[in-house]
Amino acid sequence: QLRESGPGLVKPSETLSLTCAVSNGSITTSLYYWGWIRQPPGKGLEWIGSIYYSGSTFYNPALKSRLTLSVDTSKNQFSLKLTSVTAADTAVYYCASLGRWQQLVLYWGQGTLVTVSS
Amino acid sequence: DIVMTQSPDSLAVSLGERATINCKSSQSVLYSSNNKTYLAWYQQRPGQPPKLLISWASTRESGVPDRFSGSGSGTDFTLTISSLQAEDVAVYYCQQYYGTIPGSFTFGPGTKVAIK
Repeated sequence: QLRESGPGLVKPSETLSLTCAVSNGSITTSLYYWGWIRQPPGKGLEWIGSIYYSGSTFYNPALKSRLTLSVDTSKNQFSLKLTSVTAADTAVYYCASLGRWQQLVLYWGQGTLVTVSS
Repeated sequence: DIVMTQSPDSLAVSLGERATINCKSSQSVLYSSNNKTYLAWYQQRPGQPPKLLISWASTRESGVPDRFSGSGSGTDFTLTISSLQAEDVAVYYCQQYYGTIPGSFTFGPGTKVAIK
């Protein structure tokens, strides 16, 4: 089970920070990458980035300069930080588990709406 | 990058009737060394996260009703709902997962299915 948490409103130019808590399983499993996918209102799905429990990260090139993913194995959670946000970053943000050897999005959090507005 | 397209953008089908959604990839997602097709379908009901329905182009996930079926090969794929139920109202996305590098997957733009 995956659950996102974080502010629902972020001001333009500030940093969006979200955390995903993993329950009913260990984040140190070798089976998954842990990822973030976002969906602007009424639009499609965009991969943001993925992280392995070891800390290896993979970022969407379009977001790479503003994005940091991290993992905290002691708390069984992983996090996202996106800097210098604009209205274009307004979206529902989902955390997810992705297959290690085939990139199916196997499990999704419920999603959290983040609005960028002053 | 592999670009995914879907048609139609939306469709309205009567309860009990067949719904057909098409998906096309800009290059083949058949991996010749293992003869597997790296194409999946997801269902997103209103207000819910997407849910994996079908992987490997035609393999239903556990618990998915058998009225859902996937077909196709190479670059052209179809999701069929054989007898539409009210709970099938959703947006359906295809996804290619051909690459091995994390993040080298892409979704189609989605097809919205409604009741006529």
